Amino acid sequence: GESVGLHLPTLSVQEGDNSIINCAYSNSASDYFIWYKQESGKGPQFIIDIRSNMDKRQGQRVTVLLNKTVKHLSLQIAATQPGDSAVYFCAERLNDYKLSFGAGTTVTVRA
Amino acid sequence: NAGVTQTPKFQVLKTGQSMTLQCAQDMNHEYMSWYRQDPGMGLRLIHYSVGAGITDQGEVPNGYNVSRSTTEDFPLRLLSAAPSQTSVYFCASTTGVSGTGELFFGEGSRLTVL
Repeated sequence: GESVGLHLPTLSVQEGDNSIINCAYSNSASDYFIWYKQESGKGPQFIIDIRSNMDKRQGQRVTVLLNKTVKHLSLQIAATQPGDSAVYFCAERLNDYKLSFGAGTTVTVRA
Repeated sequence: NAGVTQTPKFQVLKTGQSMTLQCAQDMNHEYMSWYRQDPGMGLRLIHYSVGAGITDQGEVPNGYNVSRSTTEDFPLRLLSAAPSQTSVYFCASTTGVSGTGELFFGEGSRLTVL
């Protein structure tokens, strides 16, 4: 698989490989994190979330890992498919009413 | 099930003009919000509402007004458009009064201010 360093805006991955998208968050008190996927010309769609009392959460072909020590979040996509080409955003909860979104990583899947 | 509907999808304005971006949801969500998306900056919260008659400011509220007269509708008004307001605007909603769960987004409204 291929991985992206923190804040790298793009990731190119071979179809069938695993993808790892990284995200750093700012507030050590944040207790809830979400990953969204945005396809071209569409609004963001929820992928998976994780609370700060967990280190790992799995969904269908996706896994989110949380490292609170270094304030780092990652999204792993297994067996990347062409339909996974999109921009991926991480978001952290700032308070009861507000999320703070990262700048996003554009994932391109090569056939 | 329409979800979150935004109109218009595209709009070009001249500096100083006013306009309203419309947002409607049919999911009976209490929480609604407006975000703007600019290249390299992710999504930034403009205004949000936790129910009819209740609105509050987000990160970047200057130059925008909102109102929430019904549960379904949450329009965003630009009173005097500026080139800095050129952006893609997204409306989002969710159940409950917290805007920090799974947000349902509209497809966006692309605004260009000349």
